[in-house]
Amino acid sequence: GAGVSQSPSNKVTEKGKDVELRCDPISGHTALYWYRQRLGQGLEFLIYFQGNSAPDKSGLPSDRFSAERTGESVSTLTIQRTQQEDSAVYLCAGRGGYTEAFFGQGTRLTVV
Amino acid sequence: GIQVEQSPPDLILQEGANSTLRCNFSDSVNNLQWFHQNPWGQLINLFYIPSGTKQNGRLSATTVATERYSLLYISSSQTTDSGVYFCAVEGQTDSWGKLQFGAGTQVVVTP
Repeated sequence: GAGVSQSPSNKVTEKGKDVELRCDPISGHTALYWYRQRLGQGLEFLIYFQGNSAPDKSGLPSDRFSAERTGESVSTLTIQRTQQEDSAVYLCAGRGGYTEAFFGQGTRLTVV
Repeated sequence: GIQVEQSPPDLILQEGANSTLRCNFSDSVNNLQWFHQNPWGQLINLFYIPSGTKQNGRLSATTVATERYSLLYISSSQTTDSGVYFCAVEGQTDSWGKLQFGAGTQVVVTP
């Protein structure tokens, strides 16, 4: 597609439920990133995929968070047993080689 | 991992003024980008600038990799320049491609 697409744009969920966020990167972008941005804060690194290499999961805040990516296509970020502290905007970015990263519009998650 | 510091944290400008934003980083970098996050939350690419100087309209950026800093210049600021400016870097000793963000500079341009 023309840009990085994230879905849903907004998600309201009840505390304790699982949620799945989707990122569809630009075709050919081998690298894919997930970040979390709490209200008024900076971007917090969560996880990074590069081609077929093992992902860098060093930013995942707890074992309730996981992410998958099949090849160089769609990625899903799953949050299990959501907590109110998980409320944030979740941003995905893609990058091809030694070039710039491009971000999607984000998914705003609200846990009530 | 690499540390990224941005200054100032906040900046209030009158329309038409010029300003300089700074990004310091703690290690050598393979990649450095500047982004503008508009009031609707969208991150917009400004510059991909691991070294050297680039200009795009009223904006320009300079990265001095050997001294581990980058500067973003805004000239003749407009209200549409308001938002948060982020610097993001890929450290040479981090896992390849991992981008770390600074805390950002919040810019408000008043009419």
